[in-house]
Amino acid sequence: EAGVTQSPTHLIKTRGQQATLRCSPISGHTSVYWYQQALGLGLQFLLWYDEGEERNRGNFPPRFSGRQFPNYSSELNVNALELEDSALYLCASDRGLYVTYNEQFFGPGTRLTVL
Amino acid sequence: DAKTTQPPSMDCAEGRAANLPCNHSTISGNEYVYWYRQIHSQGPQYIIHGLKNNETNEMASLIITEDRKSSTLILPHATLRDTAVYYCIVRYNRDDKIIFGKGTRLHILP
Repeated sequence: EAGVTQSPTHLIKTRGQQATLRCSPISGHTSVYWYQQALGLGLQFLLWYDEGEERNRGNFPPRFSGRQFPNYSSELNVNALELEDSALYLCASDRGLYVTYNEQFFGPGTRLTVL
Repeated sequence: DAKTTQPPSMDCAEGRAANLPCNHSTISGNEYVYWYRQIHSQGPQYIIHGLKNNETNEMASLIITEDRKSSTLILPHATLRDTAVYYCIVRYNRDDKIIFGKGTRLHILP
């Protein structure tokens, strides 16, 4: 069974540009989560999608947005990139909203560098 | 803020049991305790979870106190490959923001 996949592995952008990161969940998983991990820091929760809808978001500005497609894959968009957006962006998936307990499975991450 | 507190770092000798504590004094009745670990620059890996009872799987054991206000993750025979940051989180409410704390950086000493 394939795990959570993310693309690209690395992404280099300049300040002010937009970045698009992609995530494919494990087959059968309906929830996708996005996290930001800046160098040396813990995971900061960004966004949670389930069945195509945004369920919750962390304390990030609106220029961080995303969507979930009918096949449950997801995109994270970061507009007007700032230097401090440089981080490892992790995607995770789980079995969705109506499962009592639910472990998340993480992808390998996309390392975004803003110059 | 994270619902859990963990020591920032711990050392353990290779081959010995590593016992990683976690305090979650505000845990509610329906919240599960989950443990993950993150090896340098990789995505976190699920280890184990529990509600009330102690749990064991091929990776680790989870001991939850009777009042559920704290738990301990036990790696029975630590190896160098267990060097990682270990995160303890609590979650049930499906509208919860999922908050990972700073975790415990476990160093396995040869």
